[in-house]
Amino acid sequence: DMKVTQMPRYLIKRMGENVLLECGQDMSHETMYWYRQDPGLGLQLIYISYDVDSNSEGDIPKGYRVSRKKREHFSLILDSAKTNQTSVYFCASRPVGAPNERLFFGHGTKLSVL
Amino acid sequence: GDSVTQTEGLVTLTKGLPVMLNCTYQTTYSPFLFWYVQHLNEAPKLLLKSSTDNKRTEHQGFYATLHKSSSSFHLQKSSVQLSDSALYFCALSVGNYKPTFGKGTSLVVHP
Repeated sequence: DMKVTQMPRYLIKRMGENVLLECGQDMSHETMYWYRQDPGLGLQLIYISYDVDSNSEGDIPKGYRVSRKKREHFSLILDSAKTNQTSVYFCASRPVGAPNERLFFGHGTKLSVL
Repeated sequence: GDSVTQTEGLVTLTKGLPVMLNCTYQTTYSPFLFWYVQHLNEAPKLLLKSSTDNKRTEHQGFYATLHKSSSSFHLQKSSVQLSDSALYFCALSVGNYKPTFGKGTSLVVHP
């Protein structure tokens, strides 16, 4: 059905708590991404996954880690969340080796760290 | 490294007027350029894309032409509507796996 699904849509956590953001896609895309979006900063790349257990840091990986154990599922983990990690997080996917193909985005997770 | 520049953070217009959102890029590779649109509380979605020099591409009344000589891919529309109010991102994709996004331009259309 060509969909990227993110859970949860909204999340409130306290500083120091662990956070798990989940993303799934039904297109068998090899490449998946995690971005964060902050006003005036656009979309900043946190991590890329090229396939199962093949992950690479993006531009702002500090404070984050990822897990990809199945091609259709990509998780973003914040160990001991910080208030400056309050943001909207987007997951995206794209077929491998296709720079001319668009990214498919999920609807985002709005995370507030208090 | 690769980069995308969108010079306007906010563009405010009256319905029915034309609009141009600027996008320039830098890369040493063969570029693929994209415009994504994000309406409030929604996911970014593709508006249009191009990799062909000097060819106009159109979708939903918006159009853009990739000019490799000036490294530009400006987005235009001849008559904006209220429903065009959204955040617009220009993005660059090359042979690697890391698309590069501009910081986005927020378009606000007034009645």
